[in-house]
Amino acid sequence: EAEVAQSPRYKITEKSQAVAFWCDPISGHATLYWYRQILGQGPELLVQFQDESVVDDSQLPKDRFSAERLKGVDSTLKIQPAELGDSAMYLCASSLVPGTFNEQFFGPGTRLTVL
Amino acid sequence: GIQVEQSPPDLILQEGANSTLRCNFSDSVNNLQWFHQNPWGQLINLFYIPSGTKQNGRLSATTVATERYSLLYISSSQTTDSGVYFCAVTSGGSYIPTFGRGTSLIVHP
Repeated sequence: EAEVAQSPRYKITEKSQAVAFWCDPISGHATLYWYRQILGQGPELLVQFQDESVVDDSQLPKDRFSAERLKGVDSTLKIQPAELGDSAMYLCASSLVPGTFNEQFFGPGTRLTVL
Repeated sequence: GIQVEQSPPDLILQEGANSTLRCNFSDSVNNLQWFHQNPWGQLINLFYIPSGTKQNGRLSATTVATERYSLLYISSSQTTDSGVYFCAVTSGGSYIPTFGRGTSLIVHP
Protein backbone atom coordinates (compact mmCIF):
# COMPACT_ATOMS: atom_id res chain seq x y z
CA GLU A 1 0.00 0.00 0.00
CA ALA A 2 1.37 3.42 -0.96
CA GLU A 3 2.45 5.58 1.96
CA VAL A 4 3.78 9.05 2.65
CA ALA A 5 7.44 8.85 3.70
CA GLN A 6 9.11 11.28 6.10
CA SER A 7 12.60 11.53 7.51
CA PRO A 8 14.07 11.77 9.99
CA ARG A 9 11.56 10.32 12.45
CA TYR A 10 13.21 12.09 15.38
CA LYS A 11 15.47 15.12 15.54
CA ILE A 12 17.13 16.74 18.53
CA THR A 13 18.88 20.03 17.99
CA GLU A 14 20.07 23.03 19.91
CA LYS A 15 18.47 26.42 19.53
CA SER A 16 19.93 28.60 16.79
CA GLN A 17 20.83 25.55 14.71
CA ALA A 18 19.32 24.75 11.32
CA VAL A 19 17.12 21.69 10.79
CA ALA A 20 15.52 20.18 7.71
CA PHE A 21 12.74 17.65 7.24
CA TRP A 22 11.99 15.64 4.13
CA CYS A 23 8.71 14.31 2.79
CA ASP A 24 7.91 12.05 -0.16
CA PRO A 25 4.17 11.95 -0.91
CA ILE A 26 2.19 9.11 -2.38
CA SER A 27 3.03 8.77 -6.05
CA GLY A 28 0.72 10.82 -8.21
CA HIS A 29 -0.56 13.03 -5.42
CA ALA A 30 -0.54 16.61 -6.62
CA THR A 31 -1.15 18.29 -3.27
CA LEU A 32 1.30 18.21 -0.39
CA TYR A 33 0.81 19.67 3.09
CA TRP A 34 3.14 20.42 5.97
CA TYR A 35 1.61 20.62 9.43
CA ARG A 36 2.96 21.41 12.88
CA GLN A 37 1.40 19.70 15.87
CA ILE A 38 2.16 20.96 19.36
CA LEU A 39 1.62 18.46 22.15
CA GLY A 40 -2.03 18.33 23.19
CA GLN A 41 -3.31 20.19 20.15
CA GLY A 42 -4.51 19.37 16.68
CA PRO A 43 -2.26 19.80 13.63
CA GLU A 44 -1.90 23.31 12.24
CA LEU A 45 -1.28 23.80 8.54
CA LEU A 46 2.02 25.51 7.74
CA VAL A 47 2.14 25.32 3.96
CA GLN A 48 0.24 23.70 1.11
CA PHE A 49 1.68 22.91 -2.33
CA GLN A 50 -0.05 22.04 -5.53
CA ASP A 51 2.61 20.44 -7.69
CA GLU A 52 5.61 22.77 -7.24
CA SER A 53 3.61 25.90 -6.42
CA VAL A 54 2.71 27.20 -2.98
CA VAL A 55 -1.07 27.39 -2.60
CA ASP A 56 -1.05 28.74 0.93
CA ASP A 57 1.72 29.62 3.36
CA SER A 58 -0.13 32.16 5.47
CA GLN A 59 0.62 30.24 8.68
CA LEU A 60 4.31 29.71 7.92
CA PRO A 61 6.67 31.84 10.08
CA LYS A 62 8.63 33.06 7.10
CA ASP A 63 11.37 34.73 9.09
CA ARG A 64 12.74 31.31 10.03
CA PHE A 65 10.78 28.67 8.11
CA SER A 66 11.04 27.82 4.43
CA ALA A 67 9.56 25.07 2.31
CA GLU A 68 10.14 23.92 -1.22
CA ARG A 69 8.88 21.29 -3.62
CA LEU A 70 11.15 21.93 -6.56
CA LYS A 71 10.07 19.18 -8.96
CA GLY A 72 6.55 18.84 -7.66
CA VAL A 73 7.27 15.54 -5.99
CA ASP A 74 9.17 15.43 -2.69
CA SER A 75 9.44 18.39 -0.38
CA THR A 76 11.75 19.87 2.26
CA LEU A 77 10.79 22.00 5.24
CA LYS A 78 13.61 23.98 6.86
CA ILE A 79 13.90 25.92 10.09
CA GLN A 80 16.78 28.34 10.58
CA PRO A 81 17.46 29.21 13.32
CA ALA A 82 15.49 26.80 15.49
CA GLU A 83 13.90 28.16 18.66
CA LEU A 84 12.72 26.39 21.79
CA GLY A 85 9.09 26.95 20.80
CA ASP A 86 9.61 24.99 17.58
CA SER A 87 9.61 21.72 19.50
CA ALA A 88 6.69 19.82 18.00
CA MET A 89 5.69 17.05 15.63
CA TYR A 90 6.00 18.00 11.97
CA LEU A 91 3.60 16.11 9.78
CA CYS A 92 3.45 15.80 6.02
CA ALA A 93 0.32 14.78 4.14
CA SER A 94 -0.67 14.40 0.52
CA SER A 95 -3.89 14.18 -1.43
CA LEU A 96 -4.70 13.15 -4.96
CA VAL A 97 -7.08 15.88 -6.06
CA PRO A 98 -5.57 19.35 -6.31
CA GLY A 99 -7.26 22.57 -5.35
CA THR A 100 -9.57 21.28 -2.64
CA PHE A 101 -9.42 19.83 0.82
CA ASN A 102 -9.79 16.27 -0.23
CA GLU A 103 -8.95 13.05 1.51
CA GLN A 104 -5.49 13.45 3.00
CA PHE A 105 -2.97 10.74 3.84
CA PHE A 106 -0.38 11.44 6.50
CA GLY A 107 3.19 10.33 6.96
CA PRO A 108 4.59 9.13 10.31
CA GLY A 109 5.87 12.59 11.23
CA THR A 110 9.16 14.03 12.48
CA ARG A 111 9.33 14.74 16.19
CA LEU A 112 11.57 17.77 16.77
CA THR A 113 13.06 18.64 20.15
CA VAL A 114 14.92 21.94 20.46
CA LEU A 115 17.21 22.21 23.50
CA GLY B 1 -12.23 31.55 11.19
CA ILE B 2 -14.27 28.46 11.83
CA GLN B 3 -14.19 26.94 15.31
CA VAL B 4 -14.08 23.18 15.79
CA GLU B 5 -14.90 21.69 19.17
CA GLN B 6 -14.56 18.04 20.02
CA SER B 7 -16.07 16.25 22.97
CA PRO B 8 -15.38 14.66 25.28
CA PRO B 9 -11.72 15.68 25.60
CA ASP B 10 -10.87 12.43 27.35
CA LEU B 11 -12.55 9.04 27.40
CA ILE B 12 -11.62 5.86 29.25
CA LEU B 13 -13.34 2.62 28.31
CA GLN B 14 -13.23 -1.03 29.13
CA GLU B 15 -12.61 -3.30 26.16
CA GLY B 16 -15.88 -4.21 24.48
CA ALA B 17 -17.67 -0.96 25.33
CA ASN B 18 -19.25 1.37 22.78
CA SER B 19 -18.62 5.11 22.51
CA THR B 20 -19.66 8.23 20.62
CA LEU B 21 -17.30 11.09 19.85
CA ARG B 22 -18.65 14.43 18.75
CA CYS B 23 -17.32 17.22 16.54
CA ASN B 24 -19.16 20.55 16.50
CA PHE B 25 -18.29 23.32 14.08
CA SER B 26 -19.29 26.97 14.10
CA ASP B 27 -20.00 27.46 10.41
CA SER B 28 -21.06 25.50 7.36
CA VAL B 29 -18.37 23.18 6.08
CA ASN B 30 -17.31 21.99 2.66
CA ASN B 31 -15.42 18.98 3.85
CA LEU B 32 -14.91 16.99 7.02
CA GLN B 33 -12.51 14.19 7.83
CA TRP B 34 -11.99 12.00 10.90
CA PHE B 35 -8.53 10.77 11.87
CA HIS B 36 -7.09 8.45 14.49
CA GLN B 37 -3.64 9.36 15.82
CA ASN B 38 -2.00 6.29 17.27
CA PRO B 39 0.38 6.40 20.25
CA TRP B 40 3.35 6.73 17.85
CA GLY B 41 1.92 9.90 16.32
CA GLN B 42 0.74 8.52 12.99
CA LEU B 43 -2.50 10.06 11.73
CA ILE B 44 -4.69 7.49 10.07
CA ASN B 45 -7.69 8.25 7.90
CA LEU B 46 -10.95 6.99 9.24
CA PHE B 47 -13.62 8.74 7.23
CA TYR B 48 -13.93 11.48 4.66
CA ILE B 49 -17.52 12.50 5.38
CA PRO B 50 -18.74 16.02 4.55
CA SER B 51 -22.31 14.73 4.89
CA GLY B 52 -24.25 11.54 5.39
CA THR B 53 -23.29 8.29 7.07
CA LYS B 54 -20.48 5.85 6.47
CA GLN B 55 -19.47 2.61 8.12
CA ASN B 56 -16.22 0.69 8.20
CA GLY B 57 -16.23 -2.38 10.39
CA ARG B 58 -16.71 -1.38 14.02
CA LEU B 59 -16.52 2.31 13.19
CA SER B 60 -19.17 4.51 11.70
CA ALA B 61 -19.60 8.24 11.25
CA THR B 62 -22.47 10.59 10.61
CA THR B 63 -22.26 14.23 9.59
CA VAL B 64 -25.33 16.47 9.81
CA ALA B 65 -24.02 19.49 7.99
CA THR B 66 -27.20 21.55 8.46
CA GLU B 67 -26.87 21.20 12.24
CA ARG B 68 -23.09 21.63 12.21
CA TYR B 69 -21.93 18.44 13.85
CA SER B 70 -20.42 15.07 13.14
CA LEU B 71 -20.39 11.92 15.24
CA LEU B 72 -17.93 9.06 15.29
CA TYR B 73 -19.19 5.78 16.72
CA ILE B 74 -16.88 3.08 17.99
CA SER B 75 -18.48 -0.24 18.82
CA SER B 76 -16.96 -3.16 20.72
CA SER B 77 -13.85 -1.12 21.45
CA GLN B 78 -10.42 -2.78 21.46
CA THR B 79 -7.15 -1.75 23.07
CA THR B 80 -5.82 -0.89 19.62
CA ASP B 81 -8.49 1.83 19.38
CA SER B 82 -6.55 3.84 21.97
CA GLY B 83 -5.16 7.14 20.77
CA VAL B 84 -6.45 10.57 19.86
CA TYR B 85 -9.33 11.10 17.46
CA PHE B 86 -9.41 14.33 15.45
CA CYS B 87 -11.91 15.87 13.11
CA ALA B 88 -10.80 18.40 10.52
CA VAL B 89 -12.95 20.69 8.39
CA THR B 90 -12.75 23.30 5.68
CA SER B 91 -15.27 26.09 5.34
CA GLY B 92 -16.26 28.68 2.77
CA GLY B 93 -13.74 29.24 0.03
CA SER B 94 -10.79 28.20 2.17
CA TYR B 95 -8.79 25.07 1.48
CA ILE B 96 -7.03 25.38 4.84
CA PRO B 97 -8.22 22.57 7.11
CA THR B 98 -8.96 23.39 10.74
CA PHE B 99 -8.50 20.60 13.25
CA GLY B 100 -10.22 20.21 16.59
CA ARG B 101 -8.19 19.57 19.73
CA GLY B 102 -9.09 15.90 19.65
CA THR B 103 -10.61 13.28 21.94
CA SER B 104 -8.09 11.17 23.79
CA LEU B 105 -9.34 7.57 24.11
CA ILE B 106 -7.86 4.91 26.37
CA VAL B 107 -9.25 1.40 26.13
CA HIS B 108 -8.31 -0.91 28.98
CA PRO B 109 -8.20 -4.69 28.53
